[in-house]
Amino acid sequence: DSGVTQTPKHLITATGQRVTLRCSPRSGDLSVYWYQQSLDQGLQFLIQYYNGEERAKGNILERFSAQQFPDLHSELNLSSLELGDSALYFCASSPRLAGRDEQFFGPGTRLTVL
Amino acid sequence: AQSVTQPDIHITVSEGASLELRCNYSYGATPYLFWYVQSPGQGLQLLLKYFSGDTLVQGIKGFEAEFKRSQSSFNLRKPSVHWSDAAEYFCAVGTGTYKYIFGTGTRLKVLA
Repeated sequence: DSGVTQTPKHLITATGQRVTLRCSPRSGDLSVYWYQQSLDQGLQFLIQYYNGEERAKGNILERFSAQQFPDLHSELNLSSLELGDSALYFCASSPRLAGRDEQFFGPGTRLTVL
Repeated sequence: AQSVTQPDIHITVSEGASLELRCNYSYGATPYLFWYVQSPGQGLQLLLKYFSGDTLVQGIKGFEAEFKRSQSSFNLRKPSVHWSDAAEYFCAVGTGTYKYIFGTGTRLKVLA
């Protein structure tokens, strides 16, 4: 158990809908990362937050947004969903804002868009 | 540009055989290097990491990796593979700031 929790574990929804994925980092970790993993794209970095502020952006679509709250949990919002958004979404956390830190991954949320 | 390359998408080995997974990176300075493992249906777990010092690092589950600066490589090795090692393996590079780059992964299959 990494100490990172993600809810829900599975999510099934329809095209055009909006969903929110939630992540609670390990106790004391200030950085939160979101990743998308699909069969054709592999593991894609989406976005990073550090202590409530956005610090890095990867291949995140404009239909997707995220935030980190004062209690350090984070939410990833996916809107106008398309079939291609079906994937496993991982949250990871690390203690600081530093490339030398190990990332601790949650179990993921499997999103299926029908 | 910074990048991480794992040239082998799939590797199949027999149980008990040795294993080497390749990882090459492109980065101007000395990077922080990581290997993660992902078992089916699970999140990624750190196997080992290299920051500085001894270029041969030991990790969990009997894995080791060697940093070779001249080849910009950080290959993962295990002398004798177990069936439970079947998983996907990711190499990652952390830069001096907060940037983190993952390779595309190598899926390992182990034959009984």
